[in-house]
Amino acid sequence: QKEVEQNSGPLSVPEGAIASLNCTYSDRVSQSFFWYRQYSGKSPELIMSIYSNGDKEDGRFTAQLNKASQYVSLLIRDSQPSDSATYLCAVNNNDYKLSFGAGTTVTVRA
Amino acid sequence: DVKVTQSSRYLVKRTGEKVFLECVQDMDHENMFWYRQDPGLGLRLIYFSYDVKMKEKGDIPEGYSVSREKKERFSLILESASTNQTSMYLCASSLSQEQFFGPGTRLTVL
Repeated sequence: QKEVEQNSGPLSVPEGAIASLNCTYSDRVSQSFFWYRQYSGKSPELIMSIYSNGDKEDGRFTAQLNKASQYVSLLIRDSQPSDSATYLCAVNNNDYKLSFGAGTTVTVRA
Repeated sequence: DVKVTQSSRYLVKRTGEKVFLECVQDMDHENMFWYRQDPGLGLRLIYFSYDVKMKEKGDIPEGYSVSREKKERFSLILESASTNQTSMYLCASSLSQEQFFGPGTRLTVL
């Protein structure tokens, strides 16, 4: 079983809709969770960090964490064509390293 | 803002050549990382360093070495480049758990 798994995608949503991305992790001691956005040909860019159970909102992005279910998600509200990218989930297991999921590619159709 | 720079965006080398990839960060971060990213395989950690002159192997260190003589600089060395090392190489740095990536170097080994 992979340490960090994301829904495989690709995910296609119409402009203005909500895009929902899911991530599960296998290590119960995981403490910190991150979402990165990666445009084609570019490097990953950190867009959200979440450390405690519940929701964290930043603009059109909401991260949701449920440690009991070992589940973290990212919602993108009012999706725009500029949100078309691959989204990487990353998990920290109490050291300096991150474990990354394979990514979910999102396409926002105009 | 954190600035992580990498010495080249694109690099073409021949099999057997020694290759140096350099990464510099300007935020006094303790931790630095080298990843490679390949389609279908995601981000894989090659080496990381949590202090000057300290290094630790990641998941795929074979065929690579690293050097960290100064806090701001972390170099990845391919002692004898091979075609299976053709990839996107990404450097990252962090103070705690949030990692910030450089723009990447796309290396082609012919």
